[in-house]
Amino acid sequence: EIVLTQSPGTLSLSPGERATLSCRASQSVTSNYLAWYQQKPGQPPRLLIYGASKRATGIPDRLSGSGSGTDFTLTISRLEPEDFAVYYCQHYGSSPGPFGQGTKLEIK
Amino acid sequence: QLQLQESGPGLVKPSETLSLTCIVFGGSLSSDSYFWGWIRQPPGKGLEWIGSIYYNGSTYYNASLKSRVTMSADTSTNHFSLSLTSVTAADTAIYYCARHRHSNTWSPFDYWGQGTLVTVSS
Repeated sequence: EIVLTQSPGTLSLSPGERATLSCRASQSVTSNYLAWYQQKPGQPPRLLIYGASKRATGIPDRLSGSGSGTDFTLTISRLEPEDFAVYYCQHYGSSPGPFGQGTKLEIK
Repeated sequence: QLQLQESGPGLVKPSETLSLTCIVFGGSLSSDSYFWGWIRQPPGKGLEWIGSIYYNGSTYYNASLKSRVTMSADTSTNHFSLSLTSVTAADTAIYYCARHRHSNTWSPFDYWGQGTLVTVSS
């Protein structure tokens, strides 16, 4: 089974800065079946990106996904206050999982 | 607007069976376009897919939980259910129900319930 490793564990940045979150797979991801979710305290995850680079409905274009094979990136070009949350990647090729362990994006 | 709502006991004793229900509002469980799934999240930890069910009753389970999981769906009342047997403290988690599209491959979860916390303790 594929294992997803996210880095860093915690990222401390200021509003307006650029955030780069990494998700590395233990083996090549089938057809870029890689999604990103955002989760805020007390809320369920929210789908942001699917197919490695396609934005879900209503997701602003300052969030973007890229990558292929085993290395994937979620980039937030200019951080807004509402972007500070935990982010998870998910591989959904052979089953609806696994998920990465998460990256916490916190205000510096 | 699609909404999903989990319900069930918040406290389950060790070795007993955890049973949860998810009611779907604003959408139909009978649609052949979607799977309906359960995902859990231990407090302060990451996400784990438990299983998914299709409108025709076909079920798909995480291999690590398969021996203890049963899912069912009732299209007449638009709800689906999760049963997890022989629970331990390691099954303490927030349990979410969610929807994902049916296609020739799996798909990510696009609608989620708010989640319900289940604690396993005597």
